[in-house]
Amino acid sequence: GAVVSQHPSRVICKSGTSVKIECRSLDFQATTMFWYRQFPKQSLMLMATSNEGSKATYEQGVEKDKFLINHASLTLSTLTVTSAHPEDSSFYICSAIIPGSSENTIYFGEGSWLTVV
Amino acid sequence: KQEVTQIPAALSVPEGENLVLNCSFTDSAIYNLQWFRQDPGKGLTSLLLIQSSQREQTSGRLNASLDKSSGRSTLYIAASQPGDSATYLCAVSRAYSGAGSYQLTFGKGTKLSVIP
Repeated sequence: GAVVSQHPSRVICKSGTSVKIECRSLDFQATTMFWYRQFPKQSLMLMATSNEGSKATYEQGVEKDKFLINHASLTLSTLTVTSAHPEDSSFYICSAIIPGSSENTIYFGEGSWLTVV
Repeated sequence: KQEVTQIPAALSVPEGENLVLNCSFTDSAIYNLQWFRQDPGKGLTSLLLIQSSQREQTSGRLNASLDKSSGRSTLYIAASQPGDSATYLCAVSRAYSGAGSYQLTFGKGTKLSVIP
């Protein structure tokens, strides 16, 4: 089946620095990917929709200048948390779909745990 | 704004029992509803997907039902096993077409523990 891989799975960074999380579709081309985050004891919340070759669409309340999304190729989307603060510590997970698929199946990555100290 | 609620938040059952997890959503204008499994520190695994025109889907020991008019779905797990222990998430799609059909609103999940 289709595989989506995220890297790194865990990262610790210092407050004020930037950290990049990668989301790759390993065996298919994904024109659209989605980024979610999950705070402890909360539900997964959609942050943005990433479109290959164009700007990402951000959900209300998500700062686009803080959470930079780049989808430069059909197999890679990156999320960069800029000037990270402890409150950005969260579980970040991406998903991707197979264009033109009739199954409506969404493939999720393994997620990335970010801790800002 | 769509809200998805899952009850109970946690459930502990002895091995072999049948169990039901509940999911409710406030806006019936959904394209589909999915049940996922999330293991600690890992990603999501899709279990069942029910299109808005369908009433149920089955896969092995799992059966999911959908009552769109009442905004409810249930996930039935038969003959539970310790390997079923995980958090189960319910999610509804945002729209009928385009990217919105893949943008999901999740519940907080039900943490299931199956005791050997």
